[in-house]
Amino acid sequence: EVQLVESGGGLVQPGGSLRLSCAASGFTFSSYALTWVRQAPGKGLEWVSSISNNGGRTFYSRSVKGRFTISRDNSKNTLYLQMTSLRGEDTAVYYCAKVSVTTTINEGFDIWGQGTMVTVSS
Amino acid sequence: QSVLTQPPSASGTPGQTVTISCSGSISNIGSNYGFWYQQLPRTAPKLLIYRNNQRPSGVPDRFSGSKSGTSASLAISGLRSEDEADYYCATWDDSVSGWVFGGGTKLTVL
Repeated sequence: EVQLVESGGGLVQPGGSLRLSCAASGFTFSSYALTWVRQAPGKGLEWVSSISNNGGRTFYSRSVKGRFTISRDNSKNTLYLQMTSLRGEDTAVYYCAKVSVTTTINEGFDIWGQGTMVTVSS
Repeated sequence: QSVLTQPPSASGTPGQTVTISCSGSISNIGSNYGFWYQQLPRTAPKLLIYRNNQRPSGVPDRFSGSKSGTSASLAISGLRSEDEADYYCATWDDSVSGWVFGGGTKLTVL
């Protein structure tokens, strides 16, 4: 079964750091770009960051650039999101998602994880 | 404020056809494929339409997508109660080298 499972969410103080992980199974992990999308409570979807299949290209939204770092370990079939200088507006459910077509970055996301909640509050 | 503009809400009765619009610009919808996602309450989003008008396997043909210029549309025919969900359009935006989403449309089946 093709699956993505996020972990690492939790409560963190403003200015703090957190690393999210997304464990993949059921597909050739190294062939697909991956993405993080977040959803603040009661709000819509917001793209956060994407990474190419080999990790050589990364992309960030303006709201997180310089604070978040996306990475992947193709030997461990795992995607990461290192989040620093966290703010209240980063509070959201964070989803990892797989791009549907091999080696490309700008195709749709056909597999989503269940999400992990990040709460930034003192 | 989202880069892609969707109506915040839509509604219809069972059996009707509902259309949800998504307005963008030349750098996003005008130059790239449009995608649609369905998010049922308390669940992760699901890919509903890819490459403007293609349905992934398992998505009923009641759902159809189209694109014209800098706008995309999602039509749902034969509306059913289980179609009550939030619907999001999305596309790659060349001007920001990233994805952009619409604000979402909450569909109510009356």
